[in-house]
Amino acid sequence: NAGVTQTPKFQVLKTGQSMTLQCAQDMNHEYMSWYRQDPGMGLRLIHYSVGAGITDQGEVPNGYNVSRSTTEDFPLRLLSAAPSQTSVYFCASRNREGSYEQYFGPGTRLTVT
Amino acid sequence: GQNIDQPTEMTATEGAIVQINCTYQTSGFNGLFWYQQHAGEAPTFLSYNVLDGLEEKGRFSSFLSRSKGYSYLLLKELQMKDSASYLCAVRDQVRSNYQLIWGAGTKLIIKP
Repeated sequence: NAGVTQTPKFQVLKTGQSMTLQCAQDMNHEYMSWYRQDPGMGLRLIHYSVGAGITDQGEVPNGYNVSRSTTEDFPLRLLSAAPSQTSVYFCASRNREGSYEQYFGPGTRLTVT
Repeated sequence: GQNIDQPTEMTATEGAIVQINCTYQTSGFNGLFWYQQHAGEAPTFLSYNVLDGLEEKGRFSSFLSRSKGYSYLLLKELQMKDSASYLCAVRDQVRSNYQLIWGAGTKLIIKP
């Protein structure tokens, strides 16, 4: 199993550009989430999904969209990039049952100039 | 409100023992997690506590006191590879789908 994969690993955008961060998992997990991680702060939840076709907002959803057309894929779209979105983005997945341990992807380091 | 506090940075010596504390305030506590994150990498799961007491897993142990809103991660026989950030996260059943509240992490520096 590859686990959780994310692309790209690094990205530089100009203010106002849009892009999609890709996330895929091969563990048949129902729950998937997107977090951002900024220095001195805890991971903050952007959006999450409890299954194909179902998504919901987390703590900091503004400026981001998600969709979940399949169990495996959960892309994150930045609609119009802003410098405040410079961050490291992690995708995570977990089972519905059990200890709720989350499995994280390797992250995407995004810089918006 | 909901809050998690942990020290920003700690330093310890190779071969020694270190305890990383985490205090939390949450309205619907439903479990506490510890994750390890090496610089530039993704967090990886270390432990999960939902009942009071100590959970031991090799060199790592995690303790929980729900009445005190307190947990600690104990690392024994420290190795250089233990240099990392340690993230405390609390699962809150009041939040939809039991979302986690994350602390900012404790950066642990191991010296020879």
